[in-house]
Amino acid sequence: DTAVSQTPKYLVTQMGNDKSIKCEQNLGHDTMYWYKQDSKKFLKIMFSYNNKELIINETVPNRFSPKSPDKAHLNLHINSLELGDSAVYFCASSQELRAGELFFGEGSRLTVL
Amino acid sequence: GEDVEQSLFLSVREGDSSVINCTYTDSSSTYLYWYKQEPGAGLQLLTYIFSNMDMKQDQRLTVLLNKKDKHLSLRIADTQTGDSAIYFCAEARYYGGATNKLIFGTGTLLAVQP
Repeated sequence: DTAVSQTPKYLVTQMGNDKSIKCEQNLGHDTMYWYKQDSKKFLKIMFSYNNKELIINETVPNRFSPKSPDKAHLNLHINSLELGDSAVYFCASSQELRAGELFFGEGSRLTVL
Repeated sequence: GEDVEQSLFLSVREGDSSVINCTYTDSSSTYLYWYKQEPGAGLQLLTYIFSNMDMKQDQRLTVLLNKKDKHLSLRIADTQTGDSAIYFCAEARYYGGATNKLIFGTGTLLAVQP
């Protein structure tokens, strides 16, 4: 029974398209995150939500819009995709805001052509 | 700077000890973490250390913390081929209000030769 699940696992699309990645956690956690991992494996936080409220919003282009319909779900919508958006996007969750133990999904590999 | 630095690559033989090093930046970080990423998977927490400790041992894993130098290390005893992965250190950096954010290091690829 997967704790943090993301779909799709792979996404290949053309520049300029709009795409979404969905994330769900069944751990009962209050906080969810999106991280981006680039081709050099650098991992950087993009957003965090706590009980559906946006808490962390790093310097991310406006083309990226997270949405949390409830505390078990955090989706990421990306408009007008660019080549530089190609990366692996990881969803994660933690029990609370200050927790350092994050539970990660398996990642969604986005390739923009 | 903001970066949490690690060496890129470490190669060891099966049965040897591995030592992965990390230099972090925020002296006020209360917890420091080690995560493991296997190929094609997400990160998984291995262990953590509270900032008022110098050392923590957890089975084959030993974490050493030098607060003065902001240096963290992870020692894996009797390294096995299944330990081959990327290892990330992370510091919990205060963000604001009641929030920390985890800043991950640059990652160290550990290759274990049979």
